[in-house]
Amino acid sequence: DSGVTQTPKHLITATGQRVTLRCSPRSGDLSVYWYQQSLDQGLQFLIQYYNGEERAKGNILERFSAQQFPDLHSELNLSSLELGDSALYFCASSAPTSGGSYNEQFFGPGTRLTVL
Amino acid sequence: AQSVSQHNHHVILSEAASLELGCNYSYGGTVNLFWYVQYPGQHLQLLLKYFSGDPLVKGIKGFEAEFIKSKFSFNLRKPSVQWSDTAEYFCAVNCSGGYNKLIFGAGTRLAVHP
Repeated sequence: DSGVTQTPKHLITATGQRVTLRCSPRSGDLSVYWYQQSLDQGLQFLIQYYNGEERAKGNILERFSAQQFPDLHSELNLSSLELGDSALYFCASSAPTSGGSYNEQFFGPGTRLTVL
Repeated sequence: AQSVSQHNHHVILSEAASLELGCNYSYGGTVNLFWYVQYPGQHLQLLLKYFSGDPLVKGIKGFEAEFIKSKFSFNLRKPSVQWSDTAEYFCAVNCSGGYNKLIFGAGTRLAVHP
């Protein structure tokens, strides 16, 4: 158990719908990252938040958005869903950094999204 | 753009065989390197990491990896695999100035037969 929690574990929905995935980071971690794992694209970085602010963006579609709340949990919102959005969505967290140093990321169990 | 290549997509071994999984990255600056493992139905777990210092790093479960800067490589090795090593293995890189985001390779599925 990494200490990162994600809900729900599974989500089945229809095309055109909107869903929200939730992530709670490890205690004390300020950074939250979202990744998408799909068969054709592999594991791809979507977005990073640090202490409530967006820090970096990756290959995140405009239909997707995220935020990090004052209690540091994060939500990933996926709208106008398409079949191709079916994937495993991972959240990761890392400890606060200083001076540009890097801290390893700890991954949650993921949310499996199926769009029918 | 930075990228990570894993040479083998599927590897099948018998128990006690030696393992080496290749990983190359493309980035000319300072990097941090990682190997993650994903057991069936589970989340990603960190096997080992390289930040600096000794280029031969040891991780959990008997795995090790060697960073060869001149070859932009970070290959994963294990002298004797077990059936329980059946999993998918991902090489990842974090590039300096890349805000901690990880760039992953496509993964290697390892099947170990008893």
